[in-house]
Amino acid sequence: DAKTTQPPSMDCAEGRAANLPCNHSTISGNEYVYWYRQIHSQGPQYIIHGLKNNETNEMASLIITEDRKSSTLILPHATLRDTAVYYCIVRVAGTGGFKTIFGAGTRLFVKA
Amino acid sequence: DGGITQSPKYLFRKEGQNVTLSCEQNLNHDAMYWYRQDPGQGLRLIYYSQIVNDFQKGDIAEGYSVSREKKESFPLTVTSAQKNPTAFYLCASRVGTDHNEQFFGPGTRLTVL
Repeated sequence: DAKTTQPPSMDCAEGRAANLPCNHSTISGNEYVYWYRQIHSQGPQYIIHGLKNNETNEMASLIITEDRKSSTLILPHATLRDTAVYYCIVRVAGTGGFKTIFGAGTRLFVKA
Repeated sequence: DGGITQSPKYLFRKEGQNVTLSCEQNLNHDAMYWYRQDPGQGLRLIYYSQIVNDFQKGDIAEGYSVSREKKESFPLTVTSAQKNPTAFYLCASRVGTDHNEQFFGPGTRLTVL
């Protein structure tokens, strides 16, 4: 699996967009970018994933650079409930033996 | 409601005792996983199972054992051989083989005294 690099922590004002970066410079052509988040003492929650096109769902948007070496998760209007650890993961889809490795992630603090 | 349940949420055991953590899902998912999380750290994979009666070791399987006799259930036993068992344990399941979207249970916080 390609390794990912994320900043350890970020702050965001409530109501503003939170932009969480992720570097995955060794990503291969068939690897997807996945984002999860974990609110304190709960199980992680799937947010979004993408291959090379930008993706949007009801929770967030995912912007992947053209060379696919980095991506940004965007929470358009952050709320206090978005305070959590956000994990960026790169994995191949459609193969057996899925093992998703969650690193330390980015701790996002949304402040009033 | 479909989902993954783990019980109990908090568990205390004396050192040297084996303990089994429960994980049940009614999502009809084939693959199930066990992770361990230590304070301030990410998740580390203990064991995973892609189908009934089959399971594979993850990165930190030593001191743990699992079984997968039913599709819905994937219990994890923390044995006395696990040197540092106190941690937050998370169970997850995955949709089919084409997606990496994993659904997680609420977790069990195990404290060994």
